[in-house]
Amino acid sequence: DIQMTQSPTSLAASVGESVTITCLASEDIYGSLVWYQQKPGKSPQLLIYGATILEDGIPSRFSGSGSDTQYSLKINSLQPEDFASYYCQNGLSTPYTFGAGTKLELK
Amino acid sequence: EIQLQESGPGLVKPSQSLSLTCSVTGYTITSGYDWSWIRKFPGNKMEWMGYISYSGSTNYNPSLKSRISITRDTSKNQFFLQLNSVTTEDTATYYCARSWVYYGFWFAYWGQGTLVTVSS
Repeated sequence: DIQMTQSPTSLAASVGESVTITCLASEDIYGSLVWYQQKPGKSPQLLIYGATILEDGIPSRFSGSGSDTQYSLKINSLQPEDFASYYCQNGLSTPYTFGAGTKLELK
Repeated sequence: EIQLQESGPGLVKPSQSLSLTCSVTGYTITSGYDWSWIRKFPGNKMEWMGYISYSGSTNYNPSLKSRISITRDTSKNQFFLQLNSVTTEDTATYYCARSWVYYGFWFAYWGQGTLVTVSS
């Protein structure tokens, strides 16, 4: 199985700041990296697929980058609704594995 | 607009089978895509369990392969999860989702999730 190591586990930031979350795959996943946002009591929401492609309707302050085994999610100018948990996912091969998540909290 | 809704017992006894239904509206499950089950454990770990494709083929996570079955009822536009011989470690929130392969395999539409507790 491809292991997805996500960091940090938690992160505290203020509205207006920028943050970066990273995801390291245990092997090359050739850009097949997916990011989700999840708020308490809600189902995950797709943010980015193909490492860099923003899902329709997702604000442009979210961006993804990376290749091979290393990937990042950057959120510019944090808004109050961005404080949530974020997960990366291996989209290359089964079993499709997830990172352990990053909880973004308000400082 | 496509919507998915999970349903089923919220409490299952150890060694019994867990059975859940995903009812889909706004899209016919035989028209395309793959239809997955995913679960999130109390410690927030997420696990893809498997899918049934629009054609009826299945693909399961090897970690569950001996215990899992995903089937469907096309007349009701529903697909199902059965997980046998459950233990307390199967306690989780279970989601159904529509999967798609485009620059990778990902889940664009999710149900709201249903919590299943395994306890005697």
